[in-house]
Amino acid sequence: GAGVSQSPSNKVTEKGKDVELRCDPISGHTALYWYRQSLGQGLEFLIYFQGNSAPDKSGLPSDRFSAERTGGSVSTLTIQRTQQEDSAVYLCASSTRQGVQPQHFGDGTRLSIL
Amino acid sequence: SQQGEEDPQALSIQEGENATMNCSYKTSINNLQWYRQNSGRGLVHLILIRSNEREKHSGRLRVTLDTSKKSSSLLITASRAADTASYFCATDVGGSYIPTFGRGTSLIVHP
Repeated sequence: GAGVSQSPSNKVTEKGKDVELRCDPISGHTALYWYRQSLGQGLEFLIYFQGNSAPDKSGLPSDRFSAERTGGSVSTLTIQRTQQEDSAVYLCASSTRQGVQPQHFGDGTRLSIL
Repeated sequence: SQQGEEDPQALSIQEGENATMNCSYKTSINNLQWYRQNSGRGLVHLILIRSNEREKHSGRLRVTLDTSKKSSSLLITASRAADTASYFCATDVGGSYIPTFGRGTSLIVHP
């Protein structure tokens, strides 16, 4: 079956522009995570959605970052007024239910801010 | 600071040799997971070991957990060039459903 799909795979934009990153989780997965991975670094947690519960936004680095998940499926991560330090790979993962389960990752969006 | 830290940061071996990577963490955990990441790809789940387990196997992979030392090891036996990747441990604590990832070990297996 289809895995987690992220789009675009690469995004280059100018500083100050807004960007939207999309994640299509595996069908039926209720938990969805966004992470950021800078070059040579581990994964930095950004936000967690679980079913219809309020998302855990504790990892968002600033109010320029926001995310939503429509209909319990597709999620969009939006970064407003991008800065050069936002350059990174943004990874999305989903899992079957609440609780720590093996996470299934997409291949990420590589974001470059000029 | 990172909850889990992998050691070594980089490991270079010849095909057929065993590769051992370690993960140390600071606070008591519920579960520890190991993931693999090939260059330019997402992470792939390898093994989850719970705090009350000491060892798990999956194919050529062996994971041990020593909660008294707050450490885990991942052993890959008879390594192959295709095992070349970064390996991450992830821990979760308390009631959190959010795993914390380390910075990873970069493994290169030379054919």
